[in-house]
Amino acid sequence: ETGVTQSPTHLIKTRGQQVTLRCSSQSGHNTVSWYQQALGQGPQFIFQYYREEENGRGNFPPRFSGLQFPNYSSELNVNALELDDSALYLCASSSLAGVGEQFFGPGTRLTVL
Amino acid sequence: AQKITQTQPGMFVQEKEAVTLDCTYDTSDPSYGLFWYKQPSSGEMIFLIYQGSYDQQNATEGRYSLNLQKARKSANLVISASQLGDSAMYFCAMRVQGGSEKLVFGKGMKLTVNP
Repeated sequence: ETGVTQSPTHLIKTRGQQVTLRCSSQSGHNTVSWYQQALGQGPQFIFQYYREEENGRGNFPPRFSGLQFPNYSSELNVNALELDDSALYLCASSSLAGVGEQFFGPGTRLTVL
Repeated sequence: AQKITQTQPGMFVQEKEAVTLDCTYDTSDPSYGLFWYKQPSSGEMIFLIYQGSYDQQNATEGRYSLNLQKARKSANLVISASQLGDSAMYFCAMRVQGGSEKLVFGKGMKLTVNP
């Protein structure tokens, strides 16, 4: 196990609703990245937080937003949910020192109906 | 833009055999890193091995080795002595130095190890 935890494990929402996903990073890691993995695809980078600041963003609309807290845990918020937002959301923690390998949590599976 | 290509949709191998999983990459940056992750049906991405573009020797971690051939832009994963627990999805990923340090993933490939 990596020490990265995510909650909840599963979530069902309806179109137009808002959702918050949570992630606790591995001890000693100050960087958290979020990825969206649609069924049958590789993970797609949403954004990364480093020391509570956004440190890069992928090709996702502004209704995907995030936060990082002083203890380096993080939240991913998605507003105005769409059917295509149904996916596995993965959180990864890392330290920018070293080679920067990212350690992933178990993911949150979001279903939008 | 960076891109990872994994063209093998699935592979079947007998237990204890070696298997090579293919990955090609595209980047114009001279400094980059290549990763392999394993994703069992439970969903968690498990880091297997890393190699940087400036590393002189191919990386090895236990039964895993990364065969980086920069001229061909390939970064194949070799698993020696396959085990039943190796059955999973395998993803190749690349990180370009600088910026957000994001990982760009391929579509993955499914490995099935038969007894």
